[in-house]
Amino acid sequence: KNQVEQSPQSLIILEGKNCTLQCNYTVSPFSNLRWYKQDTGRGPVSLTIMTFSENTKSNGRYTATLDADTKQSSLHITASQLSDSASYICVVTVNTGFQKLVFGTGTRLLVSP
Amino acid sequence: GAVVSQHPSWVICKSGTSVKIECRSLDFQATTMFWYRQFPKQSLMLMATSNEGSKATYEQGVEKDKFLINHASLTLSTLTVTSAHPEDSSFYICSARASGASGRIPPRTDTQYFGPGTRLTVL
Repeated sequence: KNQVEQSPQSLIILEGKNCTLQCNYTVSPFSNLRWYKQDTGRGPVSLTIMTFSENTKSNGRYTATLDADTKQSSLHITASQLSDSASYICVVTVNTGFQKLVFGTGTRLLVSP
Repeated sequence: GAVVSQHPSWVICKSGTSVKIECRSLDFQATTMFWYRQFPKQSLMLMATSNEGSKATYEQGVEKDKFLINHASLTLSTLTVTSAHPEDSSFYICSARASGASGRIPPRTDTQYFGPGTRLTVL
């Protein structure tokens, strides 16, 4: 069964601190993995996308890693800001004709002043 | 590029009425559009996949007669919640995947671009 699990479920950090979110997946056949940021009451916004051969991808203060052997990914946020408070969702694309997405349950991040 | 809009952004309706939600790809043509539902503190759940000019494919457990999907053009898909009930109250999000006809990147043809969502509250 295709699944994506994320940890922690929620996280509170102080402004300016770094944090790392984890994603484990069992998806086959694998196409790509994305991290999305979803603000409350808004649609998801893509942060990074990685294919099988990519180990790391950065987007500003966001850095994602992918280990295709262990089927793990992480999202590292550097120097957190209050605006980083959101849900972060790991999404894996199944490599089929319809490119079906398998969503993780998300990590709710709260950056506290 | 690759902007997807939804209208309305929020709607409140009485039980038993029907509500239509629009999803538009503003600057690209979308061969395929997807409709998701998201309950509080839960992840997005795919409801249906629609290809322009053909019938939508519904996920297991989603009533096609209750959630009517029309994808009449390459830039517009609509979701109509018929005879809405309070349990239909949710956050509905659409996404669109580019056809690639423009040759421009963005949008990528392997990416679903999400709309901002529509909050539906049924009283």
